[in-house]
Amino acid sequence: SQQGEEDPQALSIQEGENATMNCSYKTSINNLQWYRQNSGRGLVHLILIRSNEREKHSGRLRVTLDTSKKSSSLLITASRAADTASYFCATDRGTSYDKVIFGPGTSLSVIP
Amino acid sequence: NAGVMQNPRHLVRRRGQEARLRCSPMKGHSHVYWYRQLPEEGLKFMVYLQKENIIDESGMPKERFSAEFPKEGPSILRIQQVVRGDSAAYFCASSGNRLTTEAFFGQGTRLTVV
Repeated sequence: SQQGEEDPQALSIQEGENATMNCSYKTSINNLQWYRQNSGRGLVHLILIRSNEREKHSGRLRVTLDTSKKSSSLLITASRAADTASYFCATDRGTSYDKVIFGPGTSLSVIP
Repeated sequence: NAGVMQNPRHLVRRRGQEARLRCSPMKGHSHVYWYRQLPEEGLKFMVYLQKENIIDESGMPKERFSAEFPKEGPSILRIQQVVRGDSAAYFCASSGNRLTTEAFFGQGTRLTVV
């Protein structure tokens, strides 16, 4: 079964507003990562949060992790048009040999 | 330190031909992951390899698809007798060891089957 599920599927906001995307997963994890993908391009790693962390910041990004609810959120503050992209969460279970599973993504549109 | 390099960036094949996609991981990385992304969809895991070993191929179609990561050289994703449904973007990622650090992605290979 799919590990990560982003919510909402699509989000449209005005420039300057904050954007919040959520990710839920089903099994226990070791790490949760957020990636951005601009249309037709590769993936860019944004931030990794470990299962023993609750919050992490990177510039205008804030990620939270609630392992009891098996969910994470990505907050982009003061959004810019350049933030328009698809955002994916990805999880791994931290076993000796494991793969990263991606959710279907949230498509964010920031309107200038 | 170059990032993950995938080539070609774009590949056009006629139905029935073979497609070979290459992925050179970051220097020092020995773990490679292949993902497929269909238009307007997320990334689907295909296969996870370490040097000379396939660790997990649970996402690989049973037929026509194969992957390798030899001791020397890039990882290769091979699709035999391509069909239109194989048209997609194929991404590879590498990591140094277990994914306790982030996976670094290549720019992808966009395969178009005509």
